[in-house]
Amino acid sequence: KQEVTQIPAALSVPEGENLVLNCSFTDSAIYNLQWFRQDPGKGLTSLLLIQSSQREQTSGRLNASLDKSSGRSTLYIAASQPGDSATYLCAVRQAAGNKLTFGGGTRVLVKP
Amino acid sequence: GAGVSQSPSNKVTEKGKDVELRCDPISGHTALYWYRQRLGQGLEFLIYFQGNSAPDKSGLPSDRFSAERTGESVSTLTIQRTQQEDSAVYLCASSLNHGVTQYFGPGTRLLVL
Repeated sequence: KQEVTQIPAALSVPEGENLVLNCSFTDSAIYNLQWFRQDPGKGLTSLLLIQSSQREQTSGRLNASLDKSSGRSTLYIAASQPGDSATYLCAVRQAAGNKLTFGGGTRVLVKP
Repeated sequence: GAGVSQSPSNKVTEKGKDVELRCDPISGHTALYWYRQRLGQGLEFLIYFQGNSAPDKSGLPSDRFSAERTGESVSTLTIQRTQQEDSAVYLCASSLNHGVTQYFGPGTRLLVL
């Protein structure tokens, strides 16, 4: 059974610092991995999707890496802003199956 | 274009009552997913629809839970004889095909008293 873990559970940084969010998964036979952002009282917003054959994806200040063999992904957010405050979730899809398995999330607070 | 929409946004019900939650996926998306997020816990997969194929119901927690989808459009999630542990945010997502980015709706917040 796939298990996804995100460390730390919460993170507080001053504005301008780079953020590093970690995601680990136990079963490396994944199809893809997706990072989401969740704001309080709202749904999930997809940030980046990395296929199992890829090692990283970039979008603006966001960069996500994937090391499938070691079961890890890292989301980097450069030059953090107060608007980046949210909960960040990673989710993996298995090579066989339809569902996403989510981590517990990292709650980020960027202080002005 | 319009994103995934869900209704109602909030629902308060009494224990033992049935509830019906609705999801309108993005037009043209063949895949539709239901997830549940209980307070302080991660998202749990409930059910998946792909086109006209038989749905993947492997995540439904009990036979009180059921879902239907009409073609490639609206889906309804029904919870019968609700229990307090059913209180959660129920999220719907859709994607163009299997295996690509899932787009989530805002969720329905269900509170069972």
